[in-house]
Amino acid sequence: NAGVTQTPKFRVLKTGQSMTLLCAQDMNHEYMYWYRQDPGMGLRLIHYSVGEGTTAKGEVPDGYNVSRLKKQNFLLGLESAAPSQTSVYFCASRRTDYGYTFGSGTRLTVV
Amino acid sequence: DQQVKQNSPSLSVQEGRISILNCDYTNSMFDYFLWYKKYPAEGPTFLISISSIKDKNEDGRFTVFLNKSAKHLSLHIVPSQPGDSAVYFCAARSGGSNYKLTFGKGTLLTVNP
Repeated sequence: NAGVTQTPKFRVLKTGQSMTLLCAQDMNHEYMYWYRQDPGMGLRLIHYSVGEGTTAKGEVPDGYNVSRLKKQNFLLGLESAAPSQTSVYFCASRRTDYGYTFGSGTRLTVV
Repeated sequence: DQQVKQNSPSLSVQEGRISILNCDYTNSMFDYFLWYKKYPAEGPTFLISISSIKDKNEDGRFTVFLNKSAKHLSLHIVPSQPGDSAVYFCAARSGGSNYKLTFGKGTLLTVNP
């Protein structure tokens, strides 16, 4: 019973490089979300998905793209990383009607 | 515009005493409120929630109170234990929002032995 798994856990990128963060859930949840957490800022929604093949913008979508080709996976892409994207990224899926299950996070540093 | 506010960045209490974490919100469309607990290097975990039609929900040592007229909710932990030391996030959902949650900035609770 893995729940929500995020890979990688840590990554250092150079400015301008690209990468993809993977979120996988084994609970057959329809809804999935990507958040970023910055010091003093709480969690802010980047993108979300209400089902396979769907995506939508959240509060801070600029500089990110997402895809949900399979129900269990939600990918977050950075096409050209910037230092402002240094953050901890959390994926979540909807556990009950109202609660989320979060992954353990990906710590990304852009230098 | 911050719709969910946790005005206390940190709180320190003695083991066995009560911890009270506060949260204010501005959006009248919020209909469900949740508290999450987060340890370092881990993802947030769900703690307790309350619907806007209730004013209190209790689960063991944790109780959440909601004052709709004041747009204020609070989390009470009694008795506090050192293992409760973590960051606590208040979150809110508005009806019909595809279950998107709006989070506060968090409060770091330290329970001293």
